[in-house]
Amino acid sequence: DADVTQTPRNRITKTGKRIMLECSQTKGHDRMYWYRQDPGLGLRLIYYSFDVKDINKGEISDGYSVSRQAQAKFSLSLESAIPNQTALYFCATSDFSRGNTGELFFGEGSRLTVL
Amino acid sequence: QQPVQSPQAVILREGEDAVINCSSSKALYSVHWYRQKHGEAPVFLMILLKGGEQKGHDKISASFNEKKQQSSLYLTASQLSYSGTYFCGTEMTGTASKLTFGTGTRLQVTL
Repeated sequence: DADVTQTPRNRITKTGKRIMLECSQTKGHDRMYWYRQDPGLGLRLIYYSFDVKDINKGEISDGYSVSRQAQAKFSLSLESAIPNQTALYFCATSDFSRGNTGELFFGEGSRLTVL
Repeated sequence: QQPVQSPQAVILREGEDAVINCSSSKALYSVHWYRQKHGEAPVFLMILLKGGEQKGHDKISASFNEKKQQSSLYLTASQLSYSGTYFCGTEMTGTASKLTFGTGTRLQVTL
């Protein structure tokens, strides 16, 4: 099983619908991130969390919200989806504790299409 | 602020070398390099910390010029398996563990 699991892997929805993307990890990392990938734009940070009580906005948080339900779970919500939120979404985790490099471990991605 | 990567794309024959550059206008604490193959998630290659060190990973190495806020990824004697999109992720001084990624460099290695 993957260390960082995202659900759903693919989702097609309509404008105005509420969508939740879920991420769970078995790596025991404190830090979790949501990135969005669009062709030609690279990976852009939406939200990040350093622990359950610490949530921070990234570069492009407008239109998104997150919930850190537990150390291992970090969900991304689109309250009212719009077509320009069509993208590939990645969850990632990292560990900056002593001796670790802080590399990001990515989930397999959730492809969202908003019609 | 998003780092600038160059070139945007490069095509190599197997065995040739390539250099991918990443530059930032802000003071950097670290630079990460990742490779993403088509349809897959990005995978970590290496991290370079402030101090101008150079690192290697098989025939892939990287350097970090702290004064210029630039990092370069060197791919030596490229193999077909090197094909993919390479991203640098920069961590600015004072923004602990928040990576900002460049737009990527698409590398294709052919026979």
